[in-house]
Parts: sequence; structure tokens; C-alpha cells
Amino acid sequence: DTEVTQTPKHLVMGMTNKKSLKCEQHMGHRAMYWYKQKAKKPPELMFVYSYEKLSINESVPSRFSPECPNSSLLNLHLHALQPEDSALYLCASSQDEAGVPEGNEQFFGPGTRLTVL
Amino acid sequence: GQNIDQPTEMTATEGAIVQINCTYQTSGFNGLFWYQQHAGEAPTFLSYNVLDGLEEKGRFSSFLSRSKGYSYLLLKELQMKDSASYLCAVDPGAGSYQLTFGKGTKLSVIP
Repeated sequence: DTEVTQTPKHLVMGMTNKKSLKCEQHMGHRAMYWYKQKAKKPPELMFVYSYEKLSINESVPSRFSPECPNSSLLNLHLHALQPEDSALYLCASSQDEAGVPEGNEQFFGPGTRLTVL
Repeated sequence: GQNIDQPTEMTATEGAIVQINCTYQTSGFNGLFWYQQHAGEAPTFLSYNVLDGLEEKGRFSSFLSRSKGYSYLLLKELQMKDSASYLCAVDPGAGSYQLTFGKGTKLSVIP
């Protein structure tokens, strides 16, 4: 299995809703990432988990809350979002193995297209 | 600081060859990735260069010069399906997870 899966593919939510994005990989990767991507822009890193521990939080507002229940799963909990949070949310994973040239190759999921009304 | 430059847009003809350049100035460097991204879809891996030189994979080749802070992606025998954005991304290495992405080059292939 060499893919990263994400659900849902599309999500429309109001500003008062609570929803969650889910990501799963079964490649044995130990690093998992959340990115946010606006149209015609490159992906922007939000969070990194390494060995199920939050490693990087790129000054993301608290209305985004990540969770890593185990090494294969990564969630992003959403609460009280703003319309400007509408974007494509990408999950990625990598081996996270020091000394391996391709250790940082990130495999991306198909993304969740989020619209906040 | 981190600075990665790529052309914003390029247009090329079906069947032709196109070269997409990427220059970088970053505080750390282990290697450079090229990703392809079709509109509304996730980036997909194309290549990863660690050593200087050209690496060829079918119609796609990627080149790296570490001393010049320069890479390019070469696409041969262009097909309409190659119309996409192409992102170069620097892997800083040294235990860092954070790839630094360029802004992407939108390639349009015309008949």
C-alpha cells in the first residue's frame, strides 16, 4: 500500500460547526504532515508529527487542532473556522529515517477541499 | 532565510521539450524535489536530486547543481496531460521535516 488517503474529499461547514479531517497511511511512515493550500499558491506547512508527537506547529490558529491517535492516523479538528480558512487541506507522510536520501520524500494524500460559509 | 524562485507560468507545444528552472538560496540543503500538481489535486512526486548531475526517468529528467543553487526539470515529448503546476521543493536535511516549496510553475501545453 503506497498511498495516503484522506476523508472527506469535500467539506462545507458553517462558522459555528465542529468537523474533523482524517488522514491514513499504511507505509510505515513515522512522520505525518498537514498542509494548507490556497489556489495558485504552494502548500503551506501547518503541523508535523514525528513518532506520534507534535514536532512542528507553524503558528496555526487554535481553531485548528491536530491529533495523531497512532502512527497510521492523523486528524485535524476544526472549530469556529472563518471563510478565509477555505482551502485545500493536504496530508502527507514520510519515512523520517535519518541517513536515507529519500527519507524526507513526502507522499501526499488527495486532499480535502474545505469551504467555510 | 529561504528563497526559491521559479517562473510563474510557461507555455509549450504538444510534442516539444520544455525546461522549468528553479534557483534556491536556503540555510540548509540536502536535496531537491520536483512535484507535479494538477489543478485541485495533490502534488505527486516526480524526482529527488541529491548529487550534481542529470537524472532521467522516462520523459522527465531533473538536473541539479549544488554549487550554483540551481535545478531544472526537463519534460520531453510533451503531452496535453502534462499541463499542470510544477513545484520545486528544497529538503534542508539535518533532521528537519520542513520542505521549502517554490511558488510553482504553471505549465500549459497547447496543440
